[in-house]
Amino acid sequence: GESVGLHLPTLSVQEGDNSIINCAYSNSASDYFIWYKQESGKGPQFIIDIRSNMDKRQGQRVTVLLNKTVKHLSLQIAATQPGDSAVYFCAERVGYSTLTFGKGTMLLVSP
Amino acid sequence: DAGVIQSPRHEVTEMGQEVTLRCKPISGHNSLFWYRQTMMRGLELLIYFNNNVPIDDSGMPEDRFSAKMPNASFSTLKIQPSEPRDSAVYFCASSLAGTHTPFGSGTRLTVV
Repeated sequence: GESVGLHLPTLSVQEGDNSIINCAYSNSASDYFIWYKQESGKGPQFIIDIRSNMDKRQGQRVTVLLNKTVKHLSLQIAATQPGDSAVYFCAERVGYSTLTFGKGTMLLVSP
Repeated sequence: DAGVIQSPRHEVTEMGQEVTLRCKPISGHNSLFWYRQTMMRGLELLIYFNNNVPIDDSGMPEDRFSAKMPNASFSTLKIQPSEPRDSAVYFCASSLAGTHTPFGSGTRLTVV
């Protein structure tokens, strides 16, 4: 029979645009969140993290926003570049337990 | 810091054969995680160790899978006997309490 794989949400942007990738997390007790980037053939790579006592954190070209009221996390990438093309995963954690990963969003950046 | 090191990068084996995947965590990290990634299921946690002790192996699919961590700098994931449905990318990750979790580059396993 035909196999059905994960159908990742895809965000297509032009180089130079700002990108926003969204994630709805599941556990209201989660107090730590991470965004990972996974390029083809590579392992997930840490981008930025945020703890639940914050609602915004900025890195280099990236910003993570946390809305605990609606259990929503977003990753903003400024001036998106072709090298940003990858699958982006959010992950949540309660205390020192294990990470629970979302399904991922594919970001495609056109030159 | 060399990061989490996994070997081999690629493994092709015949159904029924034993497969051993290896992981060297980041020095000083006290937790180690084995994940499996497939198109069907995404990224799944198989097992994790804390201070070399297995804490949660509920993600291990069946008895054919086993994992060991004989010391703080080495872990193995063994599949015996291997089956075609075990084909996936297997990742190892490590962390220190309160910090983020770096991943290795993964082992792409193909069972034919």
